[in-house]
Amino acid sequence: KAGVTQTPRYLIKTRGQQVTLSCSPISGHRSVSWYQQTPGQGLQFLFEYFSETQRNKGNFPGRFSGRQFSNSRSEMNVSTLELGDSALYLCASSLVPGQGGTDTQYFGPGTRLTVL
Amino acid sequence: AQSVTQLGSHVSVSEGALVLLRCNYSSSVPPYLFWYVQYPNQGLQLLLKYTTGATLVKGINGFEAEFKKSETSFHLTKPSAHMSDAAEYFCAVSGPPGGSQGNLIFGKGTKLSVKP
Repeated sequence: KAGVTQTPRYLIKTRGQQVTLSCSPISGHRSVSWYQQTPGQGLQFLFEYFSETQRNKGNFPGRFSGRQFSNSRSEMNVSTLELGDSALYLCASSLVPGQGGTDTQYFGPGTRLTVL
Repeated sequence: AQSVTQLGSHVSVSEGALVLLRCNYSSSVPPYLFWYVQYPNQGLQLLLKYTTGATLVKGINGFEAEFKKSETSFHLTKPSAHMSDAAEYFCAVSGPPGGSQGNLIFGKGTKLSVKP
């Protein structure tokens, strides 16, 4: 079974631009979560989607948004990019929302975003 | 609120030596605890998890961890380090599935170096 795929793997943008990242979950998984990883802040939860609905959102400004499609694929968008948005963005999928039991989150390789 | 503290951002051991990575958590609900490993330029891979039941949990690659409620700890161990264990390790906590605290809260990570 194919794992979580994220595209693109690397991205370079300039301040003020916007960016869209894509995540395809493991086949059959309906929940997708996004995390931001930076050297300073570590791994931080962005948001979680299940059945095309945002279930939970982390403490990030409104410039960060996401959505989920009927095939469970998800996109996240960052508008008006800032230098501090440079990070590795990780997507994780699970069968159902929440963590624990059999609902293990499986992570993709991430998208490395650099903002110049 | 839940939180995770990993003691030691860098740990260095010799090949064949015991690996001990420390993790303490704070949680207002029965915690679900996880250890993930991240190799350079890759996503996170689940090593092991504790949900309920046996407090000594065995994972992949010879790692194990013990949940100690009285000490609020979930330390990761491996009897004999291998060069391939060099990576960054993350401890994470979440609440029970389906609840509002179902998402992963990560520690800052511990980078493990293995000397030949």
